[in-house]
Amino acid sequence: TQLLEQSPQFLSIQEGENLTVYCNSSSVFSSLQWYRQEPGEGPVLLVTVVTGGEVKKLKRLTFQFGDARKDSSLHITAAQPGDTGLYLCAGTFRGGTYKYIFGTGTRLKVLA
Amino acid sequence: KAGVTQTPRYLIKTRGQQVTLSCSPISGHRSVSWYQQTPGQGLQFLFEYFSETQRNKGNFPGRFSGRQFSNSRSEMNVSTLELGDSALYLCASSLSSGNNSPLHFGNGTRLTVT
Repeated sequence: TQLLEQSPQFLSIQEGENLTVYCNSSSVFSSLQWYRQEPGEGPVLLVTVVTGGEVKKLKRLTFQFGDARKDSSLHITAAQPGDTGLYLCAGTFRGGTYKYIFGTGTRLKVLA
Repeated sequence: KAGVTQTPRYLIKTRGQQVTLSCSPISGHRSVSWYQQTPGQGLQFLFEYFSETQRNKGNFPGRFSGRQFSNSRSEMNVSTLELGDSALYLCASSLSSGNNSPLHFGNGTRLTVT
């Protein structure tokens, strides 16, 4: 059974600070996606990474896929209150039965 | 382009009852997946349908079932409801059933079982 661990579970920071969220697995990802979910809404896709070592940037968000494709990180520069939400990583695995397995999430709160 | 629509948004049921949730995918999307989200377990995969066929199934009891219609709309049914079934049920559609096909989620149906 593939498991995705996210850390930290909770994060409360001041506006303007930087932060990094991690997503780890003991199995090799076929692909990995990051989503953000706000209260009362469904998750919204932020990025998809497929190639080991891949780095993608989305404004102040930087996503990195580990060389071995077993881990990923999301770095936010100069966090803003609008970044508040639940960040979820979701992976597909080679030979896996499920389409996507989601991590338990990191709940981020950015204080003004 | 309209997003994924889930109905109803909120539902309150009592133990032992059954419930049917509905999901209308984005136009042109043929894959529909269902997820259960709870504070303790996070997002858990229920099942995926593609072209009216169930492609994958998660580790949920047989009380949870679903189907997909020829227009790609999908329904999920839970019979003999238990208190532990209280959760946010999310539906997601995607263009295909491939591993890299991004998921587009609806805003969910919040089910409360009393």
